[in-house]
Amino acid sequence: KQEVTQIPAALSVPEGENLVLNCSFTDSAIYNLQWFRQDPGKGLTSLLLIQSSQREQTSGRLNASLDKSSGRSTLYIAASQPGDSATYLCARGGAAGNKLTFGGGTRVLVKP
Amino acid sequence: ETGVTQTPRHLVMGMTNKKSLKCEQHLGHNAMYWYKQSAKKPLELMFVYSLEERVENNSVPSRFSPECPNSSHLFLHLHTLQPEDSALYLCASSQESGGGAAPYEQYFGPGTRLTVT
Repeated sequence: KQEVTQIPAALSVPEGENLVLNCSFTDSAIYNLQWFRQDPGKGLTSLLLIQSSQREQTSGRLNASLDKSSGRSTLYIAASQPGDSATYLCARGGAAGNKLTFGGGTRVLVKP
Repeated sequence: ETGVTQTPRHLVMGMTNKKSLKCEQHLGHNAMYWYKQSAKKPLELMFVYSLEERVENNSVPSRFSPECPNSSHLFLHLHTLQPEDSALYLCASSQESGGGAAPYEQYFGPGTRLTVT
């Protein structure tokens, strides 16, 4: 069974600290790895997508890495702000690319 | 605003009711998806439509019936639901291949919060 795990389930940091969010998956035959943000009661906002041929993607303060051999992806958020408080979800795209398997998410609280 | 809209945003229905959820995408994509998000469970893929054909039915009970009349619209018809079907139902779209966007990057709507009483 394809599984995606995110640990920890919740994280609290003071403003300004860098955030490191982890995602692990059991099947290395992935097509892509996508990171999303979800605010309470809302839909998902796509943050970064890493194709299987790539090692990382960057957008502003966000950087996501992908290591297929170890089955891991990491999302780094530099200089966290209270507005970064949300749940962050990673999702693995399978061989067909369009079927995403989601992790349980990491709920982040950035304290002012 | 992601370019994917869902209506209604909130729905309360009894177990004997019939209702429909609607999703519309304005991104020119050719694939659409239904997901279910229950409390304390990961997002679950329910259905995938590619070029208006259903290509995935992820062991979803028949009380959920999807319909994709064209590449911009997706419906989820609901009937005789159970209280455990209460959840946030999310719609997403993507471009299957080619186009300007990253292939298979999925864009989500805001969801419909469904409560079954």
